[in-house]
Amino acid sequence: DQQVKQNSPSLSVQEGRISILNCDYTNSMFDYFLWYKKYPAEGPTFLISISSIKDKNEDGRFTVFLNKSAKHLSLHIVPSQPGDSAVYFCAALRDQGGSEKLVFGKGTKLTVNP
Amino acid sequence: EAQVTQNPRYLITVTGKKLTVTCSQNMNHEYMSWYRQDPGLGLRQIYYSMNVEVTDKGDVPEGYKVSRKEKRNFPLILESPSPNQTSLYFCASSRIGAGAYEQYFGPGTRLTVT
Repeated sequence: DQQVKQNSPSLSVQEGRISILNCDYTNSMFDYFLWYKKYPAEGPTFLISISSIKDKNEDGRFTVFLNKSAKHLSLHIVPSQPGDSAVYFCAALRDQGGSEKLVFGKGTKLTVNP
Repeated sequence: EAQVTQNPRYLITVTGKKLTVTCSQNMNHEYMSWYRQDPGLGLRQIYYSMNVEVTDKGDVPEGYKVSRKEKRNFPLILESPSPNQTSLYFCASSRIGAGAYEQYFGPGTRLTVT
């Protein structure tokens, strides 16, 4: 049973436009949601997180939106740059009295075309 | 510079030969985790640790052991590796604070078990 789903395996966007990466989850008890970027042959790079008590968090070109009623979150990258081309993972965390179990989606490959 | 280091980066071994992959972080984080990444399955958590001498199973702990004797180190031990443990392994350290969550990954260890 996949608790965190990224239904689009790939996304292609033109440089300068907005990239929107989507993620759905099934467990309403998650406390935090995170986005990571991963280049080939490197470890995932943490991008941005959002607490379940918020609906938006912004950091530079990256904004994460959380819609708890729909159990949906999205990452917006504006403007998209060719260097943003990578695989993006969303993840969800339930913080249970100090224990930490992080569940990842399977990733979406973003290609930003010059 | 915030850093998570793993060693070795690449390892080819034979079935049944015990091995250890080391992981070290310099951020004084309490949380550390191990993940494996396999094609089509994304990142799956093997074990995590909330603090020194406190560890717990993730989603795929079978065939692995961990220890946390010091805050900065979290080695992954394969007592008797098998070919189905051929994978890309990532160590991570993280912290939760001020309503935010951050996680940093190491560069990865590619393990092949023949």
